[in-house]
Amino acid sequence: SQQGEEDPQALSIQEGENATMNCSYKTSINNLQWYRQNSGRGLVHLILIRSNEREKHSGRLRVTLDTSKKSSSLLITASRAADTASYFCATDPPTSGGSNYKLTFGKGTLLTVNP
Amino acid sequence: KAGVTQTPRYLIKTRGQQVTLSCSPISGHRSVSWYQQTPGQGLQFLFEYFSETQRNKGNFPGRFSGRQFSNSRSEMNVSTLELGDSALYLCASSPGTSGPPSFGPGTRLTVL
Repeated sequence: SQQGEEDPQALSIQEGENATMNCSYKTSINNLQWYRQNSGRGLVHLILIRSNEREKHSGRLRVTLDTSKKSSSLLITASRAADTASYFCATDPPTSGGSNYKLTFGKGTLLTVNP
Repeated sequence: KAGVTQTPRYLIKTRGQQVTLSCSPISGHRSVSWYQQTPGQGLQFLFEYFSETQRNKGNFPGRFSGRQFSNSRSEMNVSTLELGDSALYLCASSPGTSGPPSFGPGTRLTVL
């Protein structure tokens, strides 16, 4: 069963705009990660935020985590056409000890950035 | 460092056949996980191997099995294929103790 639910399911924006995607999950986590997938290819790891962190930045990416609401958001600033992809959140249960060996993924947000 | 490689990249089989997919992890990574991705169910965890031992298994029938060799390469096998097994199968490797996994490009399996 899916742990995370991304919102929205699809998002279409213009180049230069910001894109915000949300993820909710159901059970306790050790960490939460965001991945990008281009058109049915492999997953690319974007950023990891631990359960004791509230916000993290990496380049044009900003991730927040609210463990009390069991939710996270991914913000991509100044989007580019190359950002067009599906974005997934994935959670790692506390029992894994941080090994990340058993991730539970959401269904993803399909982001389209129009030139 | 070379990334995670998966072979073959594409595969077409018919119902009732069996299939074996291969995954070579990043050098030094001891953990290999497998995931199935379908439009209906999304990404689902199949199983994970660490040092040749299955450490955890997802909720898949016994037709799905795997193994890991001493060089950390892993194979997964699906027997008695069903139409619903058509999916993208992703392999991921990690050091096994911490750090996010690295995913391979996947094997696209089509069952006719």
